[in-house]
Amino acid sequence: NAGVTQTPKFQVLKTGQSMTLQCAQDMNHEYMSWYRQDPGMGLRLIHYSVGAGITDQGEVPNGYNVSRSTTEDFPLRLLSAAPSQTSVYFCASSYGTGLYEQYFGPGTRLTVT
Amino acid sequence: GEDVEQSLFLSVREGDSSVINCTYTDSSSTYLYWYKQEPGAGLQLLTYIFSNMDMKQDQRLTVLLNKKDKHLSLRIADTQTGDSAIYFCAERYSGAGSYQLTFGKGTKLSVIP
Repeated sequence: NAGVTQTPKFQVLKTGQSMTLQCAQDMNHEYMSWYRQDPGMGLRLIHYSVGAGITDQGEVPNGYNVSRSTTEDFPLRLLSAAPSQTSVYFCASSYGTGLYEQYFGPGTRLTVT
Repeated sequence: GEDVEQSLFLSVREGDSSVINCTYTDSSSTYLYWYKQEPGAGLQLLTYIFSNMDMKQDQRLTVLLNKKDKHLSLRIADTQTGDSAIYFCAERYSGAGSYQLTFGKGTKLSVIP
């Protein structure tokens, strides 16, 4: 198993540009989520999904969209990038919604200028 | 809302024990977690404890939970240089339909050879 994969590893955007961060898992996990990590802030939940076709907002959803058309994929879309979205983004997945063990991807480092 | 607090830094000598502390505010938490993040990597689950337990031991790791004081600790015995990383405490709120973890800001553990 590849586990949780994220692309790209690094990305630089200009303010106002849009892009999609990709996340895929090959473990048939129901639950997937997106976090952002900022220095001294820990991880904050952006959006999550408890199964294909079902998504919900986390703590900091503004400026981001998600969809879950398949079990494997959970892309995160930045609609109009802002410097405040400069961060490291992590995707995670878990077998069930009990969240006993979440597997994290390696992260995408995004810089918005 | 939920809040998780950790000290930001800890420095220990190789071979000594490390104790990383965490406090949380939500008395309804069902699970409490410890994650490890090595430089440039995603988070890796180390262990978790159910809120009805007082202690959990797993090889060099010992987790202690004091529910009265809402205090969680992670003890690493015989700390090695490979244990240098950031350690995150996290709690899962038990509210209906809650599928979110709240993370602390992380404790950076530095191991001195």
